[in-house]
Amino acid sequence: GAGVSQSPRYKVAKRGQDVALRCDPISGHVSLFWYQQALGQGPEFLTYFQNEAQLDKSGLPSDRFFAERPEGSVSTLKIQRTQQEDSAVYLCASSLASGTGSAEQYFGPGTRLTVT
Amino acid sequence: KQEVTQIPAALSVPEGENLVLNCSFTDSAIYNLQWFRQDPGKGLTSLLLIQSSQREQTSGRLNASLDKSSGRSTLYIAASQPGDSATYLCAVFSNSGYALNFGKGTSLLVTP
Repeated sequence: GAGVSQSPRYKVAKRGQDVALRCDPISGHVSLFWYQQALGQGPEFLTYFQNEAQLDKSGLPSDRFFAERPEGSVSTLKIQRTQQEDSAVYLCASSLASGTGSAEQYFGPGTRLTVT
Repeated sequence: KQEVTQIPAALSVPEGENLVLNCSFTDSAIYNLQWFRQDPGKGLTSLLLIQSSQREQTSGRLNASLDKSSGRSTLYIAASQPGDSATYLCAVFSNSGYALNFGKGTSLLVTP
């Protein structure tokens, strides 16, 4: 399909392991966002890319979280030394516009991360 | 920091009823407001996007309104159906940032 895709859909990690979550945005979309959704909560912003440039990473909860989008398309969110509080659904979204608020954001199905 | 509140947190209605979901936000300097639907274990599906210059948007049985001055939006669902059962999330895109600020959602159950 032509929507945003994410992989894996589910990930179980032992505490202390590193994980990498992948997002394939809609082709041609300039903006890419990562959000974290804890159980029973709304999504919380993590980071924003405009093409390959990471313009805002103010929502990343700690320096264990790292995101990249090296060619301005696929993005990877990496979490090092996972902790139980990292358990959440990680959502990726993309939009056609470059940073303004006028464009609709399209979300992927999310990756559910469980840290045991 | 933009704060988004949704009331009620949960709602149960019989099939066929019209219903209103409420969303309020603290900072009226917004670009747009977006309503989403989230089914259990799934991602977010965009329902309606209202630009800051608009007052309302309609799609099928859904109508969303926006009153920037009072910091409120409502989502009206007409003739509800069991298939409308889901969590509905309101999100605001503020002038000051790049990201959507979400409420916690309203969990809707429509019973046959």
